[in-house]
Amino acid sequence: GQQVMQIPQYQHVQEGEDFTTYCNSSTTLSNIQWYKQRPGGHPVFLIQLVKSGEVKKQKRLTFQFGEAKKNSSLHITATQTTDVGTYFCAGPNTGNQFYFGTGTSLTVIP
Amino acid sequence: NAGVTQTPKFQVLKTGQSMTLQCAQDMNHNSMYWYRQDPGMGLRLIYYSASEGTTDKGEVPNGYNVSRLNKREFSLRLESAAPSQTSVYFCASPKGPWGYEQYFGPGTRLTVT
Repeated sequence: GQQVMQIPQYQHVQEGEDFTTYCNSSTTLSNIQWYKQRPGGHPVFLIQLVKSGEVKKQKRLTFQFGEAKKNSSLHITATQTTDVGTYFCAGPNTGNQFYFGTGTSLTVIP
Repeated sequence: NAGVTQTPKFQVLKTGQSMTLQCAQDMNHNSMYWYRQDPGMGLRLIYYSASEGTTDKGEVPNGYNVSRLNKREFSLRLESAAPSQTSVYFCASPKGPWGYEQYFGPGTRLTVT
């Protein structure tokens, strides 16, 4: 079946350092979504990428969708303590189902 | 406008007990989903309902049943709880047709002893 893997599983950074998480799918995706979950909270939608090679930015966050539409990345520039949480990617299969990645837990050390 | 609400927030069950998790959305969305979240495994889809009156199995449906009561409400039932069902359960509802952002409820933290 479809699998969506994320690396790394955990990342600790000093405040001000950059952070990147990578998402890889075993199948081609029609689109990919990114979510952020704060500790003890629920996932919150960040962005959706649809086009091959698409790049979108949200302030310090940069999202990329691979040319083959099988991988994606989220890059945070100059992390802040407010960036703490787990970041998930999610992609649909051919049916009405989304497969979520295993997530990357980000800790920011002040 | 509350979005997606879930009850209860916390629950402790003994093995073999049953319970129903409730979910409601006030966004007039057609689709609703139930996920479970376990450490290191991300979110896994249990069941979903693409529209009122329809339900379908997701990735991990065993041990669960669902009911789409009306357009607003989608419940998840554990008939005979097992320790393996200890998890955090999230209800979600996508904004629009397939592929749109999902709005999540606050979650139910379930422990089965």
